[in-house]
Amino acid sequence: KAGVTQTPRYLIKTRGQQVTLSCSPISGHRSVSWYQQTPGQGLQFLFEYFSETQRNKGNFPGRFSGRQFSNSRSEMNVSTLELGDSALYLCASGLSGVPDTQYFGPGTRLTVL
Amino acid sequence: SQQGEEDPQALSIQEGENATMNCSYKTSINNLQWYRQNSGRGLVHLILIRSNEREKHSGRLRVTLDTSKKSSSLLITASRAADTASYFCATLETSGSRLTFGEGTQLTVNP
Repeated sequence: KAGVTQTPRYLIKTRGQQVTLSCSPISGHRSVSWYQQTPGQGLQFLFEYFSETQRNKGNFPGRFSGRQFSNSRSEMNVSTLELGDSALYLCASGLSGVPDTQYFGPGTRLTVL
Repeated sequence: SQQGEEDPQALSIQEGENATMNCSYKTSINNLQWYRQNSGRGLVHLILIRSNEREKHSGRLRVTLDTSKKSSSLLITASRAADTASYFCATLETSGSRLTFGEGTQLTVNP
């Protein structure tokens, strides 16, 4: 089976812009979670989607949003970008609703200038 | 906030030596997982241990879990240069449905 794919792999934006990141889970996986990784804060949970419904949300401002489509593909959007949003954004997929083993994608490296 | 705290933050050893990393957490858990991350890349799942298990093996990896002390350890035996990476523990709380990651241990294996 193909692994989790994320597009784009690298992205450079300027403050105030918005960005959309995409994640395609492993075939058959219905759960998709998003994480932000920065040197200062480590890995922080953004949100989880299961069967097109957001089941869990981390402590991020409303500028961070996401959605999941009927084919389980997921997108996350960040509006009004700030310098502090520069990070590696990781997506992970899982088989069931309760995240046992998470399969991670390679990540999208977002740089905000 | 980070549930897990890992110790040490950084570890440097010679090829062939064993590496031990520790993880402590604060709340009751359903399971604890270990992941590896090579520089700037995605995480790779290594092993999962459930709260009713005390020890688990996978190849050169051995994980222990002590729920009374709320701690876990990951042992990598006969380390190789290719084991150089960051290692993270992640907990699934009994009341939650998401993983909470620790801050990670940076392991360097010198050839």
